[in-house]
Amino acid sequence: DSGVTQTPKHLITATGQRVTLRCSPRSGDLSVYWYQQSLDQGLQFLIQYYNGEERAKGNILERFSAQQFPDLHSELNLSSLELGDSALYFCASSPMTGEFEKLFFGSGTQLSVL
Amino acid sequence: ILNVEQSPQSLHVQEGDSTNFTCSFPSSNFYALHWYRWETAKSPEALFVMTLNGDEKKKGRISATLNTKEGYSYLYIKGSQPEDSATYLCAFNTNAGKSTFGDGTTLTVKP
Repeated sequence: DSGVTQTPKHLITATGQRVTLRCSPRSGDLSVYWYQQSLDQGLQFLIQYYNGEERAKGNILERFSAQQFPDLHSELNLSSLELGDSALYFCASSPMTGEFEKLFFGSGTQLSVL
Repeated sequence: ILNVEQSPQSLHVQEGDSTNFTCSFPSSNFYALHWYRWETAKSPEALFVMTLNGDEKKKGRISATLNTKEGYSYLYIKGSQPEDSATYLCAFNTNAGKSTFGDGTTLTVKP
């Protein structure tokens, strides 16, 4: 158990809908990262938050947004969902800004868009 | 777009064999290289964080080397065991905070 909690584990929804994925980092970790893994693709970095502020942005679509709250948990909002958004979404956390630290991954949220 | 390549894509070895695989990354703007082990139906688990040219890390039978000037890192597994079967990922970090993952090398160790 990495100490990173993601909910829900599975989510099934329809095209055009909006969903929210939640992540609680390990106790004391200030950084939260979001990754997407689609079929036939490796892990794609979406976005990183550090202590409530956006720190780095990867290949995140405009339909997606994220935030980190004062209690350091984070939410990833996916809107106007398309079939291609079906993927495994991982959250990870690290103590500080992460470049020189190991990241601890949650067990992921499997999103299926039908 | 940063290109992080891992080779081979997959590898099948017999129990007891030693093996190694490669992660290639851009040699400019290097900040850190991470290695992860990802078992089926689990989440990625960090193995090493490598930061300096010539850096070498070891954890049990697994070790890694780093050459930032030429842009590659090797992961070695000595005396492979069936429980080493997993996908091994590397991730390249720039100082802009972005991390780019390779597609991984999937190792299968046959008893």
